[in-house]
Amino acid sequence: DAGVTQSPTHLIKTRGQHVTLRCSPISGHKSVSWYQQVLGQGPQFIFQYYEKEERGRGNFPDRFSARQFPNYSSELNVNALLLGDSALYLCASSGGGMGEQYFGPGTRLTVT
Amino acid sequence: RKEVEQDPGPFNVPEGATVAFNCTYSNSASQSFFWYRQDCRKEPKLLMSVYSSGNEDGRFTAQLNRASQYISLLIRDSKLSDSATYLCVESGGSYIPTFGRGTSLIVHP
Repeated sequence: DAGVTQSPTHLIKTRGQHVTLRCSPISGHKSVSWYQQVLGQGPQFIFQYYEKEERGRGNFPDRFSARQFPNYSSELNVNALLLGDSALYLCASSGGGMGEQYFGPGTRLTVT
Repeated sequence: RKEVEQDPGPFNVPEGATVAFNCTYSNSASQSFFWYRQDCRKEPKLLMSVYSSGNEDGRFTAQLNRASQYISLLIRDSKLSDSATYLCVESGGSYIPTFGRGTSLIVHP
């Protein structure tokens, strides 16, 4: 069975640019969460979507936005990139609620 | 601010040793707890859920102490392949899971 997939795997952007990251959950999972992880820290929660509705939002600026599509895949958008946005962006899917989550391999974003 | 605290380590132990990690949480409304394992430059992988009654899976045992607000992970008979970072997670009713920064374990021959 396919796990959570994310694209792209690596990305280099310049300050001020915009980026879109994509995630496809495990088949049958209706919930997708996004996390940011910087070196030496645990993943920081950004958003959770369930059935296309935002169900949770972490402490991130409005430059971060996301959406979930009818097929439950999701996009994370970040506008006006800052150097501090350089991190590993992880997507996780779950069946719903705050149960067990399954992570994708992540997108490593570098902002120069 | 709701936080999850972990000792970053590293915990350096020989093969065959028993090692335990604790993780404290500040959100008394937390309902769900998990341990994840993360290898270097890889994504976190679910290790086990933590139930009120405790949970055991082979060499791994997880416990929850609600009164003192901590969860623990015990690894018996450590293997070289257990070397990784162990992340604890708590989720309250607000659908905002909080990860600890992780505890690094190094198992040496």
